[in-house]
Amino acid sequence: GAVVSQHPSWVICKSGTSVKIECRSLDFQATTMFWYRQFPKQSLMLMATSNEGSKATYEQGVEKDKFLINHASLTLSTLTVTSAHPEDSSFYICSPQEGPARGEQYFGPGTRLTVT
Amino acid sequence: GQQLNQSPQSMFIQEGEDVSMNCTSSSIFNTWLWYKQEPGEGPVLLIALYKAGELTSNGRLTAQFGITRKDSFLNISASIPSDVGIYFCAGRHTMEYGNKLVFGAGTILRVKS
Repeated sequence: GAVVSQHPSWVICKSGTSVKIECRSLDFQATTMFWYRQFPKQSLMLMATSNEGSKATYEQGVEKDKFLINHASLTLSTLTVTSAHPEDSSFYICSPQEGPARGEQYFGPGTRLTVT
Repeated sequence: GQQLNQSPQSMFIQEGEDVSMNCTSSSIFNTWLWYKQEPGEGPVLLIALYKAGELTSNGRLTAQFGITRKDSFLNISASIPSDVGIYFCAGRHTMEYGNKLVFGAGTILRVKS
């Protein structure tokens, strides 16, 4: 399977600050990146999809100005949670994809964000 | 967003027992994927299914892609304590819906040793 890393694995920040989460595909080039959010005891919900060098496409209900996605290279994508609030506390998981999404999909280890 | 109907919601079984869980959808999917997630970690892919009727095994795990392309099941035989975790099904939509992956709500598996 694909090797994916995320950094940091967990972060605690104060309300109103911004947090950047990095996702790297270590053994393949990710032309597409999916970002998911998972609240406690819930399933994964897709937040946005980005293609390398293009603007991200956000799912309905996800604020693009709050969750900034940068996919500037084929091995790195970042998600920045701007002006974080306690309700943004969640588990954020990236899923880089090589080529068009067709078959298997692998996920990063996730980043636990807690906003106080 | 859309979710698949996954059942059961949770299971508490004796070590050595077999486990069965399933997912159904009102939509047709091209791909069914089964994942296991442990606390504080991302989902790990267990089995991928690509054709209606396909039956695939991975060790003690067996999964099938339903004939109607609207359902799938996962069986775990002779469960062991390390099988504990949350199991998610995921279906991939056809291209007209953007090839997006849709997840079930998960089945929490606990094993009594």
